[in-house]
Amino acid sequence: AQSVTQLGSHVSVSEGALVLLRCNYSSSVPPYLFWYVQYPNQGLQLLLKYTSAATLVKGINGFEAEFKKSETSFHLTKPSAHMSDAAEYFCAVTETSGSRLTFGEGTQLTVNP
Amino acid sequence: GAGVSQSPSNKVTEKGKDVELRCDPISGHTALYWYRQSLGQGLEFLIYFQGNSAPDKSGLPSDRFSAERTGGSVSTLTIQRTQQEDSAVYLCASSLVVDRPYEQYFGPGTRLTVT
Repeated sequence: AQSVTQLGSHVSVSEGALVLLRCNYSSSVPPYLFWYVQYPNQGLQLLLKYTSAATLVKGINGFEAEFKKSETSFHLTKPSAHMSDAAEYFCAVTETSGSRLTFGEGTQLTVNP
Repeated sequence: GAGVSQSPSNKVTEKGKDVELRCDPISGHTALYWYRQSLGQGLEFLIYFQGNSAPDKSGLPSDRFSAERTGGSVSTLTIQRTQQEDSAVYLCASSLVVDRPYEQYFGPGTRLTVT
């Protein structure tokens, strides 16, 4: 069975500061991992995905994530936060390409001026 | 091109009524998914259609929920005899099954309120 845990339901950073959103997964097989962002009253937008080709994955809007098998982690980072990054972020896992996604609980990111 | 669209964007219904939610996937996408997003349960998988295969219904919470996909394109999620706990945002996603892992593209959702 697959599962995802996001540590911290709310994260607050200052504009220009490092963003770090934590995600740990559990999977019985090599997983596929995703980060999605959700702005208010909108659907989910894919930020980046782990395809097993490279452990450091770069996505849109300056975000990146590193897959660490030994730590079963896929944390999302951005060197410098912008006000426009304020949103809810979801980590997701699937064990079989094309089947259901299992989502974490989400992390609400607040960016303070 | 156009993304995934869903209608209606908002639906308010009385307890006990039936509702239908519609999803138009991205043209050419063979896979279609329904998820539910609620305060207490987060994002939950409901059902998955892939081409002409039998759908994966394992996420449907009760037999009041059903879904169909006509002509391999548009999908309708039906909730019969709605209950207050059905209040949530229902999200539809589609994917093109040619590249692994299959990226799922989400629609804006339908916000269902059961009064």
